[in-house]
Amino acid sequence: DIVMTQSPDSLAVSLGERATINCKSSQSVLYSSNNKNYLAWYQQKPGQPPKLLIYWASTRESGVPDRFSGSGSGTDFTLTISSLQAEDVAVYYCQQYYSTPPSITFGQGTRLEIK
Amino acid sequence: QLQLQESGSGLVKPSQTLSLTCAVSGGSISSGGYSWSWIRQPPGKGLEWIGYIYHSGSTYYNPSLKSRVTISVDRSKNQFSLKLSSVTAADTAVYYCATLELGIGAFDIWGQGTMVTVSS
Repeated sequence: DIVMTQSPDSLAVSLGERATINCKSSQSVLYSSNNKNYLAWYQQKPGQPPKLLIYWASTRESGVPDRFSGSGSGTDFTLTISSLQAEDVAVYYCQQYYSTPPSITFGQGTRLEIK
Repeated sequence: QLQLQESGSGLVKPSQTLSLTCAVSGGSISSGGYSWSWIRQPPGKGLEWIGYIYHSGSTYYNPSLKSRVTISVDRSKNQFSLKLSSVTAADTAVYYCATLELGIGAFDIWGQGTMVTVSS
């Protein structure tokens, strides 16, 4: 199984400042056939289901504000919020998808709060 | 716009079988490009993928749950279902149904989730 490890477990950032969350996979999630990293990021607020923010490591889902960006390739990935807003307080998860054999795992989550 | 809604028993006794259904609206469960998935989240903890079923009917399960899980589709009702047998307290969780968009390998549409408690 591919293990996803996020860091830090929790993070406090001032409003308007940058927030950075890291995700490391135990093996590469880069598909050589199409040069895509099958790594997604989700935001989950209390009492709500997760919301897809980023897929293919760096492609924003439709409607997601451009202050959210993803980067990385292979085994190391980063979610950046360029200027933290109050509504960004949430838990953030990374997730990998591997198709052969099918395998999906999530990171343990990073709790983001306002400092 | 595709929407998902979970339903089923909120309380299951230990050793019994958990059964949940996800109703699909705004589209057909027979459409290609999606797989129909279940994910769970124990209280205060992270997300765990349970399994998914392709529109073709092929199923894939988390190896850690494979021996106890069955996911099936009812095309006549435009819904899919989860059965988890021999449950214990460790299976207490919010259960979500979601669509896994195969092209991007990500869950893009989620139901609101349903809490299932395993207790005698």
